[in-house]
Amino acid sequence: RKEVEQDPGPFNVPEGATVAFNCTYSNSASQSFFWYRQDCRKEPKLLMSVYSSGNEDGRFTAQLNRASQYISLLIRDSKLSDSATYLCVVILGGSYIPTFGRGTSLIVHP
Amino acid sequence: GAVVSQHPSRVICKSGTSVKIECRSLDFQATTMFWYRQFPKQSLMLMATSNEGSKATYEQGVEKDKFLINHASLTLSTLTVTSAHPEDSSFYICSAEGSYNEQFFGPGTRLTVL
Repeated sequence: RKEVEQDPGPFNVPEGATVAFNCTYSNSASQSFFWYRQDCRKEPKLLMSVYSSGNEDGRFTAQLNRASQYISLLIRDSKLSDSATYLCVVILGGSYIPTFGRGTSLIVHP
Repeated sequence: GAVVSQHPSRVICKSGTSVKIECRSLDFQATTMFWYRQFPKQSLMLMATSNEGSKATYEQGVEKDKFLINHASLTLSTLTVTSAHPEDSSFYICSAEGSYNEQFFGPGTRLTVL
């Protein structure tokens, strides 16, 4: 089983839709969690950290479920510019090595 | 804040040439930097962890004599691809670790070996 798993998609949604991605991790000692966005042929950019209590940044909401070992990203009111690959990143407690998921592709169409 | 630069952004070289890529954290100090490689439509692959003032830690399957890493200061890490071959052509990305384990990525270097 892979350490960090994501549904590769693509998720194809119309503008204005709400879309959610999940990312599961295998190591219960994982401590830090992040969502990144990567556009085609560009570097990943930090979208948001994921806190135990959940956190929101505008249209984006991230949540952590430690019991079931997954993190989620919810995007409300999707924009065309949200089209990208969304990567989840997990860091083990006591380590600083990030483990990346393979990414989930989102395509927002008019 | 948290800006990471990479140079060069693109390089085309002949087989057998060595190529040096620089990664700089511009507005913060980074004890730890990471080097990744990404092939088209594939996920990031961690190559090595670069620690300031000490030897890099390489991931399994990555040749340390092929990919030389030097992290001489808290703001600069370099990756040298020695005797590059066409199969080394890829997108090389560095990242610097922030205060809360988050990664700040450089813009990447696209290497093409002819």
